[in-house]
Parts: sequence; C-alpha cells; structure tokens
Amino acid sequence: GQSLEQPSEVTAVEGAIVQINCTYQTSGFYGLSWYQQHDGGAPTFLSYNALDGLEETGRFSSFLSRSDSYGYLLLQELQMKDSASYFCAVIRSWGKLQFGAGTQVVVTP
Amino acid sequence: SAVISQKPSRDICQRGTSLTIQCQVDSQVTMMFWYRQQPGQSLTLIATANQGSEATYESGFVIDKFPISRPNLTFSTLTVSNMSPEDSSIYLCSVLTGADNEQFFGPGTRLTVL
Repeated sequence: GQSLEQPSEVTAVEGAIVQINCTYQTSGFYGLSWYQQHDGGAPTFLSYNALDGLEETGRFSSFLSRSDSYGYLLLQELQMKDSASYFCAVIRSWGKLQFGAGTQVVVTP
Repeated sequence: SAVISQKPSRDICQRGTSLTIQCQVDSQVTMMFWYRQQPGQSLTLIATANQGSEATYESGFVIDKFPISRPNLTFSTLTVSNMSPEDSSIYLCSVLTGADNEQFFGPGTRLTVL
C-alpha cells in the first residue's frame, strides 16, 4: 500500500533545533516535499527533494534518502511563529501530492 | 508564484443539497487539484482537473459525488453533491507551478453540513 509516517507532535523551546522525520511507502515516487500550515491557513510550500541529499533554505533544511524511503525536515533557530503543522508529501505522477498525517510543532518560550 | 481565491470561504448547508465551490487563479495554469481536509486531519487529493479534459479522480472519490468543471486555464469548480454531515470539511484547490513541483493552495472553503 501507499503510506507516509511522521510523528504527531514535537515540542521545543525557542532557539532550539527540531527534526521531523518522514518515512514513506509508495509507488510512482517523484520526490518529497514539505508544507507548513498554520491554524486556519492554507498549506505553504517549504522545500522539495527529488534527489538524495540535503537542501537548505534559510532556517529550514530538508533531506532525502531514496534508498531508505526516508526524509526529514530540520527547523533551526526555532521562533514562536514556527508553531504550526508540518506535512511531508510524496510527489506522484502529474504533480499529485500524497500527504502524511502531519506533525504539530509547538514552540515554547 | 500564483494567487488563488476561492468562493465561498465558508458555508453551512443542509443535508441532501449541493454546493459549488469556485477556484480562481491569477495566471494560466495547466494542472489544478482539489483536496479535502477534515478537521484536524491531513489533506487528501480528490481529483486533478486539466483544461480540456475530464477530471481524474482518486480512489474513493467519484464524479457523481464531486463533479468538477475546468472551462479555462484560470478557473475551476468543484461541486459537493447530495451532501451529508460526513462531507463537512475544508475543500482546497491548488495549482502546480513549474519550479520544484511547488503547489500553491487557495485559502479553502470551510463546509459544514447539518
């Protein structure tokens, strides 16, 4: 079957580093993306990995290992505004997204 | 990038009725998608809507329940037909851009069925 697994919740203090892991099992894999969603808001794109390795965008980095069907999102220098849900999503054919269940990140002072 | 608007932003409907949700994009795009997000849950793809062809539906979703129109490259509608309380959800449209397979999402339509 097709599935993605990620932790349901992570709590950390401001300034800390958080890593959200995502393992997937799917056919027709074209890449792994990460989206952020604040309560009541629309998902917004954070990053995309098509090939193995690390992609860095400011405070956020994303990693992919296709052989291990595994990726992670790294949030550095956590800020209160980073409190949100984070979804990993497998990109399938024609750009279709299959989302994981989401990880609620709670940042405390 | 793309700016997407949806109408209505929210609605409360009676069971057995239908609601049509509109999605407008500020630029021409080939690929448009419709997702459903139930309260506190993840997003699930309903269908892909390409201009000039029939929408393609994901497993568990059928055209009779969720008919879709795509009359041009900037607009699409999703109808939720014969609604039941189980259809209460947020419905989002999205578009695919060429860069990094990034999808831009509309603000969503929050539907409550009584």
